Amino acid sequence: KAGVTQTPRYLIKTRGQQVTLSCSPISGHRSVSWYQQTPGQGLQFLFEYFSETQRNKGNFPGRFSGRQFSNSRSEMNVSTLELGDSALYLCASSWGQAGELFFGEGSRLTVL
Amino acid sequence: QQPVQSPQAVILREGEDAVINCSSSKALYSVHWYRQKHGEAPVFLMILLKGGEQKGHEKISASFNEKKQQSSLYLTASQLSYSGTYFCGTVHQGGSEKLVFGKGTKLTVNP
Repeated sequence: KAGVTQTPRYLIKTRGQQVTLSCSPISGHRSVSWYQQTPGQGLQFLFEYFSETQRNKGNFPGRFSGRQFSNSRSEMNVSTLELGDSALYLCASSWGQAGELFFGEGSRLTVL
Repeated sequence: QQPVQSPQAVILREGEDAVINCSSSKALYSVHWYRQKHGEAPVFLMILLKGGEQKGHEKISASFNEKKQQSSLYLTASQLSYSGTYFCGTVHQGGSEKLVFGKGTKLTVNP
């Protein structure tokens, strides 16, 4: 059974650019959550999608957005990148809400 | 709303025990525990629902004190493989079922 797949795994951008990260959940999982991980801050919740609807959103600026497609795949977008956006972005899928999360290996974004 | 974990870091010798605590300022519906090894994705350990039940995973167990809005993770007779960062995540009662994680506790087990 394939796990959660995130692409790209690594990327480097410059300030002001935008980036789109992709997440393919485990087959059958309809919930996808996104987290930002930085040293010392743990896992900061970005948003959660279920059946193409955003159910929850964290305390991030509007530059961070996401969406989910009918096949449960999800994308997140960060516009007008700032140096502080450098982080590991983790996607996790689950059967339902607040259940066991299966994490992908993450997309490591570096903003120069 | 982010839960508070303590300690931030702990160093053990193989075979020693450790306790990691997680507390919230709001009433909790559930507590989730994950372990992340260096360079890897977080991996699920267990979920505890309100009711004070205790669960176990190998020699790792946890309790949930609903009244105190606290959970504790117990690592017994630690093994080298237990090294990693442990995160607790909480879902609040009456909330949106959003799972929010603490900043993590880094556990190092030495031979």
